[in-house]
Amino acid sequence: EDKVVQSPLSLVVHEGDTVTLNCSYEVTNFRSLLWYKQEKKAPTFLFMLTSSGIEKKSGRLSSILDKKELFSILNITATQTGDSAIYLCAAVDAGNNRKLIWGLGTSLAVNP
Amino acid sequence: DVKVTQSSRYLVKRTGEKVFLECVQDMDHENMFWYRQDPGLGLRLIYFSYDVKMKEKGDIPEGYSVSREKKERFSLILESASTNQTSMYLCASSASDRGPYQPQHFGDGTRLSIL
Repeated sequence: EDKVVQSPLSLVVHEGDTVTLNCSYEVTNFRSLLWYKQEKKAPTFLFMLTSSGIEKKSGRLSSILDKKELFSILNITATQTGDSAIYLCAAVDAGNNRKLIWGLGTSLAVNP
Repeated sequence: DVKVTQSSRYLVKRTGEKVFLECVQDMDHENMFWYRQDPGLGLRLIYFSYDVKMKEKGDIPEGYSVSREKKERFSLILESASTNQTSMYLCASSASDRGPYQPQHFGDGTRLSIL
């Protein structure tokens, strides 16, 4: 059965720290991996990764995919309290790309 | 920017009631989705629709139905609400599957309590 596993499930850091969130996947017909950030309400799209080794960057956030080892990481440098959120990753199945395979998320709390 | 609007942020209903959750998107997206989100269980797909009047079951369709009479609107119906349907409900939409994959965009969610 296809699955996506995120670790850690929760994390507490201080402002200014750098964090690395992990997402591993087992998907028979893998196409892409997505990262979302969810604060109090709607998950908002961060990155889509399809090719191995190509880093995607947006400000202090960056992400990379390793299709050989079947994982992705999301890095946040110089964390701020506004980074506190649940970070979700999901895999796109090339055979049925309307149905995403979701991880349970990593809950990140950034303390001042 | 894509805008996905859910009709209510919070809703309280009684067991046995018929409940309607409405979702509207303004980007002419073909695909629309209904999820529920529960602690420890993550996001689970209830139903999705890839065209007007078309629908497909997701992973947990029991106790739910959907309606898509217009492209921009996708409704989730709880035929006879039960307490185990208390949850956060999220609607999402995405552009056509033709061509490069397009990520889903979410509404703000409806927190539904069934008493």
